[in-house]
Amino acid sequence: EVQLVESGGGLVQPGRSLRLSCAASGFTFDDYAMHWVRQAPGKGLEWVSGISWNSGSIGYADSVKGRFTISRDNAKNSLYLQMNSLRAEDTALYYCAKVYDSSGYYTPSPFDYWGQGTLVTVSS
Amino acid sequence: SYVLTQPPSVSVAPGQTARITCGGNNIGSKSVHWYQQKPGQAPVLVVYDDSDRPSGIPERFSGSNSGNTATLTISRVEAGDEADYYCQVWDSSSDHRVVFGGGTKLTVL
Repeated sequence: EVQLVESGGGLVQPGRSLRLSCAASGFTFDDYAMHWVRQAPGKGLEWVSGISWNSGSIGYADSVKGRFTISRDNAKNSLYLQMNSLRAEDTALYYCAKVYDSSGYYTPSPFDYWGQGTLVTVSS
Repeated sequence: SYVLTQPPSVSVAPGQTARITCGGNNIGSKSVHWYQQKPGQAPVLVVYDDSDRPSGIPERFSGSNSGNTATLTISRVEAGDEADYYCQVWDSSSDHRVVFGGGTKLTVL
């Protein structure tokens, strides 16, 4: 059974940093690209970042480019999101998502499994 | 950047057919994916690549895509279909980014 478990969320002051983790199980992690998607309270889904199987291809939304860094450790079956210079507008539930396509490449594949999310609140 | 436009809400009576649209410039040339999200839950993929269904998704869910509009169609709507629905595409023109529509709240009357 595929499982994605996010952790690392919490309350943080504006300008500070936070690192999110996503522990994956139930599938061959390094066969798949992975993504982070967030959802502000009461709002819609917003794609944050994605990474190919070997970290060779990475993408970011304009809203986080230069502040957030996605990474993965295939030996630990884990995905990460380093978030720096956090702003109030980064407050959201952050989901880790696995793509459907098992090529591992950064391709237009849908997200077939999602975690339950970890909540990040940026406030003074 | 590429923009996807969805109606904020759609209402339908049980047993009827719901159609949720997703508008975008020449969206017919892209693969469109659809997600269902119920309150307090993570999104679930219901249609991918315009019209394919993942295993476990009822045949009542179908999709189409042409020109500037993609459509998710839910036949014989049930109370349990009440949820938010999001369309999604890959925008290869802007550094290969994922784009979501704003979401549509489906209300079953």
